[in-house]
Amino acid sequence: DGGITQSPKYLFRKEGQNVTLSCEQNLNHDAMYWYRQDPGQGLRLIYYSQIVNDFQKGDIAEGYSVSREKKESFPLTVTSAQKNPTAFYLCASSIGAGTGGYTFGSGTRLTVV
Amino acid sequence: KQEVTQIPAALSVPEGENLVLNCSFTDSAIYNLQWFRQDPGKGLTSLLLIQSSQREQTSGRLNASLDKSSGRSTLYIAASQPGDSATYLCAVAGDSNYQLIWGAGTKLIIKP
Repeated sequence: DGGITQSPKYLFRKEGQNVTLSCEQNLNHDAMYWYRQDPGQGLRLIYYSQIVNDFQKGDIAEGYSVSREKKESFPLTVTSAQKNPTAFYLCASSIGAGTGGYTFGSGTRLTVV
Repeated sequence: KQEVTQIPAALSVPEGENLVLNCSFTDSAIYNLQWFRQDPGKGLTSLLLIQSSQREQTSGRLNASLDKSSGRSTLYIAASQPGDSATYLCAVAGDSNYQLIWGAGTKLIIKP
């Protein structure tokens, strides 16, 4: 079945540590997105990519980095510069930017310990 | 700047009732509007997508309407069931950059 796989489901980060969240899709979608979800707030866009080897900053990109070396993969690194990283992170994809609906992964919950 | 608001933030109703969830947006220049469902600790499931040229979309017991001129969308759920309990999110795509702007969601509880 086609879909998006996010791993791990739960992740714990120590102060000053970089961690990488995985997102893989087999839907042949061109566009991929990373969102952050905090309680009581709408989803906020971190980064998005419309095509391989290209990505754009979203509304809250500071302290995060991404790569898009393959169409299927869009990993997100939460760096030590992100001072409040505890949140639920969601990866999504769509056929193209603005075309049709989005498919979401099941999310990664990141906690700072 | 587009802003999306969902009222109420939470809603609890008895099983079997028909109900309406509301979504309002400040800029009518939209490309499409989508409704999603999120179960606790899970990702989002797309429910309905309405293009800017459409007035409504239906899927099973769900019906979503769109009134661009007034900046409103409603999600109608008929004959609610306990399995409908979840948080419902609406998101608007702008007609210039297509990026989604999200409401904070309505947490729905259907009591058996």
